[in-house]
Amino acid sequence: NAGVTQTPKFQVLKTGQSMTLQCAQDMNHEYMSWYRQDPGMGLRLIHYSVGAGITDQGEVPNGYNVSRSTTEDFPLRLLSAAPSQTSVYFCASRKGTWTENYEQYFGPGTRLTVT
Amino acid sequence: ELKVEQNPLFLSMQEGKNYTIYCNYSTTSDRLYWYRQDPGKSLESLFVLLSNGAVKQEGRLMASLDTKARLSTLHITAAVHDLSATYFCAVNHNTDKLIFGTGTRLQVFP
Repeated sequence: NAGVTQTPKFQVLKTGQSMTLQCAQDMNHEYMSWYRQDPGMGLRLIHYSVGAGITDQGEVPNGYNVSRSTTEDFPLRLLSAAPSQTSVYFCASRKGTWTENYEQYFGPGTRLTVT
Repeated sequence: ELKVEQNPLFLSMQEGKNYTIYCNYSTTSDRLYWYRQDPGKSLESLFVLLSNGAVKQEGRLMASLDTKARLSTLHITAAVHDLSATYFCAVNHNTDKLIFGTGTRLQVFP
């Protein structure tokens, strides 16, 4: 198993550009989520999904869109990039819901810089 | 709104010493997670604590959970350099949202 994969590893955008961060998992996990990590602020949940066709907002959803058309993929779209979105983005996946106590696996991260 | 606080934010320890990292959270939860992150790397799961009084140990790390006090501790015994990393706690509040603390950056020196 490749686990959780993310592409690209690094990206530089100009203000106003749009892009999609890709996340895929091959473990047949129902739950997937996106976090951003900023210095001194830990990880903050952007969006999450409990299964194909189901998504919900996390702590900091503004400026980001997600969709979940398959179990394997959970892309994160930046609609109009802003310098405040400069961050490291992590995708994670887990089998089952929060009640089932499974371990959550994180991808390697995407480092995004918006100029 | 669920808030998760860790302290200290930064910890510099001498090898061989013991210390404790604290994780407080603001609303009831009976699930708490500890993660480790090395610089420039992703997060690695350390412990999942599922009930009041839960204690788990792995090597020099021991985690415990007191749901009544809304407190978890990560105790480091006889620290070694390899434990240098940032440690995060994270909490569910009866939903699929996992809220992270700000992290504790641990540096172990000879």
